[in-house]
Amino acid sequence: GQQVMQIPQYQHVQEGEDFTTYCNSSTTLSNIQWYKQRPGGHPVFLIQLVKSGEVKKQKRLTFQFGEAKKNSSLHITATQTTDVGTYFCAVGGGGGKLIFGQGTELSVKP
Amino acid sequence: EPEVTQTPSHQVTQMGQEVILRCVPISNHLYFYWYRQILGQKVEFLVSFYNNEISEKSEIFDDQFSVERPDGSNFTLKIRSTKLEDSAMYFCASSEAPKNIQYFGAGTRLSVL
Repeated sequence: GQQVMQIPQYQHVQEGEDFTTYCNSSTTLSNIQWYKQRPGGHPVFLIQLVKSGEVKKQKRLTFQFGEAKKNSSLHITATQTTDVGTYFCAVGGGGGKLIFGQGTELSVKP
Repeated sequence: EPEVTQTPSHQVTQMGQEVILRCVPISNHLYFYWYRQILGQKVEFLVSFYNNEISEKSEIFDDQFSVERPDGSNFTLKIRSTKLEDSAMYFCASSEAPKNIQYFGAGTRLSVL
């Protein structure tokens, strides 16, 4: 079935450093979504990318969808302690299901 | 802001017992989902539900699992005879349409002893 690979699994950064997580699929995607899960929390929707080569920004977060619609990235500029959590990409499947990547756990040292 | 609510927040049960996890989706949403997350792992799809029918289910969702919309507001997940490996966080989600944003509840932590 559909799978999406996400790397890295963990990322430890000093506050103020940048952070990037990547998702890759072997098949062309119709769209990709990004979610954030705070420690002990639930997934919270961040953004959906639909168009080839699309770039969207939310304050310090930049989301990209590859030209071939097989990969995506989330970049955080100048991380803050509030950015701590696990970032998941997710792709849609039949019946509306979401297939999640493994997630990248971000820790930020103040 | 509307939210998905789940009860209980934590359920402890003995192996072999039946559990029912409850969810109240966002009121104007028509598509409902259950996911589970074993501690430290990714979120896994279990089942999607629309128009009082299962739309899609995963391999995890075997005969021990069932879902029901018993009334106009609740959406339940039943595990008939729990196993140790059913211990996980179970998230309910809902959306207006199948490709729309899914809103997740805070989850129910199920501990099977």
